[in-house]
Amino acid sequence: AQSVTQPDIHITVSEGASLELRCNYSYGATPYLFWYVQSPGQGLQLLLKYFSGDTLVQGIKGFEAEFKRSQSSFNLRKPSVHWSDAAEYFCAVGAYNNDMRFGAGTRLTVKP
Amino acid sequence: KAGVTQTPRYLIKTRGQQVTLSCSPISGHRSVSWYQQTPGQGLQFLFEYFSETQRNKGNFPGRFSGRQFSNSRSEMNVSTLELGDSALYLCASSFPRDWIRSSYNEQFFGPGTRLTVL
Repeated sequence: AQSVTQPDIHITVSEGASLELRCNYSYGATPYLFWYVQSPGQGLQLLLKYFSGDTLVQGIKGFEAEFKRSQSSFNLRKPSVHWSDAAEYFCAVGAYNNDMRFGAGTRLTVKP
Repeated sequence: KAGVTQTPRYLIKTRGQQVTLSCSPISGHRSVSWYQQTPGQGLQFLFEYFSETQRNKGNFPGRFSGRQFSNSRSEMNVSTLELGDSALYLCASSFPRDWIRSSYNEQFFGPGTRLTVL
């Protein structure tokens, strides 16, 4: 079965600094990979997704992620973080029939 | 287009009671999935319904059940509530092409129902 590991439970960055959130997955076939963001009291919003093709994926709000099959990774990046990016970020791997497995999440704090 | 809606948004129950949560998918979406989110276990897949049929189920006890109606609206039911059932329950809808050739489709999440069991 597929699984996802997000090694960092909590990350703090200064506003304007760059950001990288790590995600490693385990899945036997070609994975469908996602990054979601969740603000307090809210549902999940899709930032970006990878199904196939170009391994560098652009998403909303200036986020991007790179799929590296050799490292089983799908790290999320943003060149300059804004205070409004403070939230919890979830990496997920999807399989047939919408059985989506989420990582434990990384909580992002942005310092002024 | 309206997003996924879930009702109620907040619910307080006592142990032993049962509860029913409702989810209305985005218009035209035929698949509805349910997830449980807790601080300890994170986001866990409960089950997925497509065209009124449960086609995938996570590793939850039989106290957790669901159904889907012909208009794609879905309900999930938890019977004999336990303290550990306190969680945010999220519903997500998607638009698979069809049952057989369905590949993974983007899921759109609702705001969730916060269930507290006392």
